[in-house]
Amino acid sequence: RKEVEQDPGPFNVPEGATVAFNCTYSNSASQSFFWYRQDCRKEPKLLMSVYSSGNEDGRFTAQLNRASQYISLLIRDSKLSDSATYLCVATYDKVIFGPGTSLSVIP
Amino acid sequence: GAVVSQHPSRVICKSGTSVKIECRSLDFQATTMFWYRQFPKQSLMLMATSNEGSKATYEQGVEKDKFLINHASLTLSTLTVTSAHPEDSSFYICSARGWLAGGPGYNEQFFGPGTRLTVL
Repeated sequence: RKEVEQDPGPFNVPEGATVAFNCTYSNSASQSFFWYRQDCRKEPKLLMSVYSSGNEDGRFTAQLNRASQYISLLIRDSKLSDSATYLCVATYDKVIFGPGTSLSVIP
Repeated sequence: GAVVSQHPSRVICKSGTSVKIECRSLDFQATTMFWYRQFPKQSLMLMATSNEGSKATYEQGVEKDKFLINHASLTLSTLTVTSAHPEDSSFYICSARGWLAGGPGYNEQFFGPGTRLTVL
């Protein structure tokens, strides 16, 4: 079993849609969680950290459920520029990336 | 934010040659550096973790004699792919983790722009 698993995708959504990504992690010792965004052939960039209390940054909302070992990312009012691969990350003494979910926002 | 650079950004080499990739943290001291590789349409896979002044810890399935990592200073780590073969062609990304002066006070991680290696 992979340490971090994500929805296989790809997600193709129209502009303005709301899209949700799910992620699960297997190591209960994981301490910190993040969502990264990666554009084609570029390095991943931190989108936001994920806290147990849930956190919001503009159109993006991230949530963590430690009991279920589950992380989510919600994007509201999708923009064309949101098209990218979204990577879920869990860390303990090392950083483990999920396989990523591809999002295409269509005009 | 902090910057991590990688050099070269792209390299094409013949099979059997060795390739060195440099990763530098430009405005902070990186206590830990990570090396990842990413094959097309796949996620980043951690290859190894290195702490300054000590030997790197390699992930299962990564040959330490083939992928030599040196973390000689708090701002520089190098990855050398020895006797490269076509199956080593990949996108190699480093990341550096450290404490930023004047920063938010937690241990952040920053990614380099990546090095695309093509072995002919």
